[in-house]
Amino acid sequence: RKEVEQDPGPFNVPEGATVAFNCTYSNSASQSFFWYRQDCRKEPKLLMSVYSSGNEDGRFTAQLNRASQYISLLIRDSKLSDSATYLCVVTPAGTYKYIFGTGTRLKVLA
Amino acid sequence: EAQVTQNPRYLITVTGKKLTVTCSQNMNHEYMSWYRQDPGLGLRQIYYSMNVEVTDKGDVPEGYKVSRKEKRNFPLILESPSPNQTSLYFCASRRSGEYEQYFGPGTRLTVT
Repeated sequence: RKEVEQDPGPFNVPEGATVAFNCTYSNSASQSFFWYRQDCRKEPKLLMSVYSSGNEDGRFTAQLNRASQYISLLIRDSKLSDSATYLCVVTPAGTYKYIFGTGTRLKVLA
Repeated sequence: EAQVTQNPRYLITVTGKKLTVTCSQNMNHEYMSWYRQDPGLGLRQIYYSMNVEVTDKGDVPEGYKVSRKEKRNFPLILESPSPNQTSLYFCASRRSGEYEQYFGPGTRLTVT
């Protein structure tokens, strides 16, 4: 089983739709969680960190469920510019490593 | 401008010919790291460095070497490249105590 798993998609949604991605992780001792965005083989960029209490940044909401070992990303009112691959990232406890999921591809259609 | 730079951006080479991919950051970050990205496998960490002269293996270190003699530079060395090292490589850095990594633009390496 992979340490971090994501549905590769693509998720094709119309503009204005709400879309949600999940990411599961296998190491229950994982300590930090993030969503990164990557456009077409360009460098990944941090979208948001994920906290147990959940966090929101404009149209984006991230949640962490430690009991079920998954994190989620919700995008409301999708824009064409949201089309990208969304990478789930986990840092195992006691290490300085970063474990990336393979990414979920989102295509927002006009 | 705060940035991470990598050189070269594109490289085609032959099996066994030693090469170095440079990475430099101007943000005075302590932590630097190298990743490779392959279709279906995502980004995988090769090596990372917590500070000058402190390096450690990531998940896929075989066939690679690194050094950290200066805080701003973290070169990736392939002593004897092989075709299975054909990949897209990213360097990243972050400040100690923070989690956000800043990535370079990537180096596309092809080994024939």
